[in-house]
Amino acid sequence: EAGVVQSPRYKIIEKKQPVAFWCNPISGHNTLYWYRQNLGQGPELLIRYENEEAVDDSQLPKDRFSAERLKGVDSTLKIQPAELGDSAVYLCASSHGTVPAKNIQYFGAGTRLSVL
Amino acid sequence: AQTVTQSQPEMSVQEAETVTLSCTYDTSESDYYLFWYKQPPSRQMILVIRQEAYKQQNATENRFSVNFQKAAKSFSLKISDSQLGDAAMYFCAYEEGAQKLVFGQGTRLTINP
Repeated sequence: EAGVVQSPRYKIIEKKQPVAFWCNPISGHNTLYWYRQNLGQGPELLIRYENEEAVDDSQLPKDRFSAERLKGVDSTLKIQPAELGDSAVYLCASSHGTVPAKNIQYFGAGTRLSVL
Repeated sequence: AQTVTQSQPEMSVQEAETVTLSCTYDTSESDYYLFWYKQPPSRQMILVIRQEAYKQQNATENRFSVNFQKAAKSFSLKISDSQLGDAAMYFCAYEEGAQKLVFGQGTRLTINP
């Protein structure tokens, strides 16, 4: 079974440029998460989807960040415009949504973003 | 808000020895889950072990076990017979019913051959 797939692995951009990250969750997983991991810290949740619906986006900086999961499968996270402080690793995770396996989140390898 | 604290930024252990990583958390909930994730240089977070708060028995997965002290809000990870492949960042995480994981700052584990 394929795991959570993210692309690209690395992205270097100049500030004020747009950037997008893509995530394909494990097949059959209804719940999808985007986390941001700053250097030397643990990941922090940005947004959580249940199928197509964003059920928790309270930590998403909505002035510059947006996300979508149009068909309830893969998802895209976008930043426009990027700022220097956005440099981080962006992790995607998915979970099945069925008790008792409901709350096990499986992570992708992340995208390392460097904003110059 | 729930918080998770890992007080050891770095730990090291000799290969084949045992090491314990500490984690404390703060919550007013009675039902929740706790996790230890491993993050090697490849960056992918890998689940090591999980504990359900209502279960008094400590979880065990092969060489990995936890010491869960609910009253003290403590959740330490013991790695027995340490192997070179265990070298990584280890994150303790808390989750309540909202499926939101709250992570600690992490502990970098080095295995000395």
